Formats: sequence, structure tokens, C-alpha cells
Amino acid sequence: DTAVSQTPKYLVTQMGNDKSIKCEQNLGHDTMYWYKQDSKKFLKIMFSYNNKELIINETVPNRFSPKSPDKAHLNLHINSLELGDSAVYFCASSQGIGNTEAFFGQGTRLTVV
Amino acid sequence: AQTVTQSQPEMSVQEAETVTLSCTYDTSENNYYLFWYKQPPSRQMILVIRQEAYKQQNATENRFSVNFQKAAKSFSLKISDSQLGDTAMYFCAFMNTLSYNTDKLIFGTGTRLQVFP
Repeated sequence: DTAVSQTPKYLVTQMGNDKSIKCEQNLGHDTMYWYKQDSKKFLKIMFSYNNKELIINETVPNRFSPKSPDKAHLNLHINSLELGDSAVYFCASSQGIGNTEAFFGQGTRLTVV
Repeated sequence: AQTVTQSQPEMSVQEAETVTLSCTYDTSENNYYLFWYKQPPSRQMILVIRQEAYKQQNATENRFSVNFQKAAKSFSLKISDSQLGDTAMYFCAFMNTLSYNTDKLIFGTGTRLQVFP
């Protein structure tokens, strides 16, 4: 059983389209995150949620909208995709403050053409 | 704002040898956590080792150990008896967990490690 699973693993789409990436964790964690890894492998936080509540929004364009229907799921919807959105997007989860180990999904490689 | 610096973009080591990856960070906080994550070609992010800043003892996990110098804000990773499976990108990361607003990993730019037979 995968602890943090993302779908899809690969996504190729045209500029201007809208796409979603789904993430689910079965670890019972309260906190979930989205990280973006760019073409130079640099990893940066985008969002964090704790118990379905948005906590961190790290100056991400509002074309990116996370949604957490329950604390086991955190989805990422991207509107009007641009070439610069091409990256690997990682979902992660942790028990939150005081228990710091973050478990990562396998990543979604998004390619915008 | 906290920053993490990895000054070695690439390193190589022969199998069974020892290699040390460098990491420095900048923070005004006293309590925080430091991590080393490994990213093999499979893309999966794997936690290698974790260090709590309030602990003076350096963390160790089998062949992996750290040299944590709090005053110097340095956190290097030593890999002993290197194996071919250690070939990967290694990321140093910082986390300040005083509040949910700071509960996030701040990563360095990574070091690509190649282990040769």
C-alpha cells in the first residue's frame, strides 16, 4: 500500500488547458503539502493544508488552486496552463508540528507544450 | 528568511569509499530541524537522516551520519562505504516548526552524487 499516492505520474497538455493532479495519503496525517520541482531540480513549497484548512500559500499564481475535500486528500487544479508551469509536482504529508518527517508521493511530471 | 546553501553541484566517489556532502544554512531561530533527502533517478524523495537543532549529538543512520555545527550553521552528510545505489541527488533541507505557518521544508539546490564501481 502506497503511503502517499499521486495521479497521474505523467501529464502532457497544451498551453491554455486546465488540469488537475490528485493526491491521497493513508497515513492518517493532518498536514499535506504541494511542492514544485523546476527544471533545475530546485524544490519549493507551494501550499500546505492542515485538517482541510489552507495554512501556507507561498506566492503562487492564483491559476493554481488547491482543494482538500478531507484531510486524506489534497488536489491541485491548474487553470490556463503556461509553458513555465512545466515541472514535477510533489505531494507530501506529515503529522504536523512536533512530528516533522514528511512523506512524499512519487511526483507528477507536468509538461506543457 | 531562512536559506539553505549546497555549494557542491556534483560529487563523485568510488564504491566502498567515503564521501561528505556540504550544507550551510541561515536562520535567526534557535529551534529547528535539518534533513537530508535523497532523490534517485526514480524521482522518489526519500528521507535519509534528520537532526533536531536542540540535540548536540550528531544523528546517525547506518552508513549515513551528519556533522552538525550549530554555531557555524553547518550540516554536512557523510556517506561511508558508498554503494552504487547511493547514486542520486541529495538535498539538504531546513524546517522551523514553531507554528503551522512555518511548517514547511526549505531546500538547498542539491548535490548530484555519482558512485563509480
